Amino acid sequence: GAGVSQTPSNKVTEKGKYVELRCDPISGHTALYWYRQSLGQGPEFLIYFQGTGAADDSGLPNDRFFAVRPEGSVSTLKIQRTERGDSAVYLCASSLTWASGGFDTQYFGPGTRLTVL
Amino acid sequence: KNQVEQSPQSLIILEGKNCTLQCNYTVSPFSNLRWYKQDTGRGPVSLTIMTFSENTKSNGRYTATLDADTKQSSLHITASQLSDSASYICVVSAKTGGSYIPTFGRGTSLIVHP
Repeated sequence: GAGVSQTPSNKVTEKGKYVELRCDPISGHTALYWYRQSLGQGPEFLIYFQGTGAADDSGLPNDRFFAVRPEGSVSTLKIQRTERGDSAVYLCASSLTWASGGFDTQYFGPGTRLTVL
Repeated sequence: KNQVEQSPQSLIILEGKNCTLQCNYTVSPFSNLRWYKQDTGRGPVSLTIMTFSENTKSNGRYTATLDADTKQSSLHITASQLSDSASYICVVSAKTGGSYIPTFGRGTSLIVHP
């Protein structure tokens, strides 16, 4: 595709439920990033992948959050036992590589707005 | 803790006017600084990127400056247009281990009125 796509665009769930958020990066981009953006705040780094492996997951807030990228392309962010505080826009971005000192431009998707009732 | 502070939080200007947005950071070790534009309901889009040795970078009507000594950056928008209405986010990346982790500011919300 032409850009990064994320599905669903909106997700409403009840407290305690499990959710999966999907990201399709730009074809050929090896690096993929997940961020969380709360209302009125800048994005907050969660995790990034180089290929299939999680290169850095230091931003994941706790063990309820998990992300995978099994074939080095599409990634899924999984949240278990959702809490109201998880409500936010979850942004995905991809870049050509990660090894250039962080200088590769990240291209962001439109985000998934998660609401936990 | 790495932090990026932006000011003002919001700004309203008339179409055609210039404006300057500020960014102060305490991020170490510094790798690069980017300014992003984020339209409502969209993901951020990169405007400029600057390294330690660069002190100015332009992209059309957008000009970013960087003072690595004082750890300050600014984004100057010339001859504003209605389409400039958006949130402008300053992002500073630091090398942490083998990773380059970005720290985002909260953004400045710019509204351009006709």
